[in-house]
Amino acid sequence: RKEVEQDPGPFNVPEGATVAFNCTYSNSASQSFFWYRQDCRKEPKLLMSVYSSGNEDGRFTAQLNRASQYISLLIRDSKLSDSATYLCVVDSSASKIIFGSGTRLSIRP
Amino acid sequence: EPEVTQTPSHQVTQMGQEVILRCVPISNHLYFYWYRQILGQKVEFLVSFYNNEISEKSEIFDDQFSVERPDGSNFTLKIRSTKLEDSAMYFCASSDPKGGQDQFFGPGTRLTVL
Repeated sequence: RKEVEQDPGPFNVPEGATVAFNCTYSNSASQSFFWYRQDCRKEPKLLMSVYSSGNEDGRFTAQLNRASQYISLLIRDSKLSDSATYLCVVDSSASKIIFGSGTRLSIRP
Repeated sequence: EPEVTQTPSHQVTQMGQEVILRCVPISNHLYFYWYRQILGQKVEFLVSFYNNEISEKSEIFDDQFSVERPDGSNFTLKIRSTKLEDSAMYFCASSDPKGGQDQFFGPGTRLTVL
């Protein structure tokens, strides 16, 4: 089983739609979880950390399910500028994080 | 807003040559990292660095690779004898332990080995 697994997509949704991504991880000892976004040929940018209680930042909501070892990201009222690859990231130790392969999202007008 | 910077943005080299990729992490950060991303593939961890020593390294980070913090601001990745398969985007990142493991990435150096 891959350490961090994501549906590669692409997800192609209309502007204003709600879209959700899931990610599963294999290391039950992982403590830190993140969503990053990466635009084409750019660096990953931290979107949000994911906390056990779930957290929201504007139109973005992240959830963590430790029992099932998955993380989700919900984007509401999607904008054209949300088009990017969304990377699920999980720690494998105190000094190492592992990236998923990413889910491509394309928002159409 | 403070940011991680990297130079050069693009490096072209011949196979077998040594390259040094440079990074200036965010000034109050204490943890530093290098990652690589081969075109079309996922971001891969290479090495983490704290308190002037390597904390952890991946299997990719073999004897051809080394890291150094030569002064108070720069953090470098050296590849001693480049191979064709070293062609990739190399990202530097840094984090402040007070902020958990939130890592902030530089814009990357695209390394092309001919």
